[in-house]
Amino acid sequence: GEDVEQSLFLSVREGDSSVINCTYTDSSSTYLYWYKQEPGAGLQLLTYIFSNMDMKQDQRLTVLLNKKDKHLSLRIADTQTGDSAIYFCAAVPSGGYNKLIFGAGTRLAVHP
Amino acid sequence: DSGVTQTPKHLITATGQRVTLRCSPRSGDLSVYWYQQSLDQGLQFLIQYYNGEERAKGNILERFSAQQFPDLHSELNLSSLELGDSALYFCASSEGAGGYNSPLHFGNGTRLTVT
Repeated sequence: GEDVEQSLFLSVREGDSSVINCTYTDSSSTYLYWYKQEPGAGLQLLTYIFSNMDMKQDQRLTVLLNKKDKHLSLRIADTQTGDSAIYFCAAVPSGGYNKLIFGAGTRLAVHP
Repeated sequence: DSGVTQTPKHLITATGQRVTLRCSPRSGDLSVYWYQQSLDQGLQFLIQYYNGEERAKGNILERFSAQQFPDLHSELNLSSLELGDSALYFCASSEGAGGYNSPLHFGNGTRLTVT
């Protein structure tokens, strides 16, 4: 079945760009999502990309998809302390439905 | 605010007991999903309901059951609780049933502690 992997930790300086990476195994995955989880809160949908796209930009967020390598990345420009959170990559595997398969999450720490 | 409401926020109970977690989806959403988040297993899909009917099943234990009511709210019942059931339980909702362009919106979760 689908497997989604992420690095567990990323530390960046305030004002720099952050790049969070994710790989998935099911080449049939059609939608790939990024969620943000702040301490004590639920999962906030940040953005998603369809598999026929290479890039999607939404304000400070840029998603890049390399379908050949099954690699997804989330770039946050001008990272702020409020961006400190856990970021989850999720994929919809083949077979339909909406049961997202999540990665383990990348903890982003932003320091001054 | 995602529009998905989960109650209670926290639940502390003893082993062997039974609890019910409740979820109200976003207005207009017909699908409800339950996920379990634990430190060792990460986020695991449990079950999905669409318009009252079970749609997809994941790693849900036989001791757990769920249902979606005519008003579309959903309940997750956990019985014969074990220490290992301690986790954060999330509900999510989406507009569609299986259409891919129907992202999930999550509630803030119910933190279950089994002592």
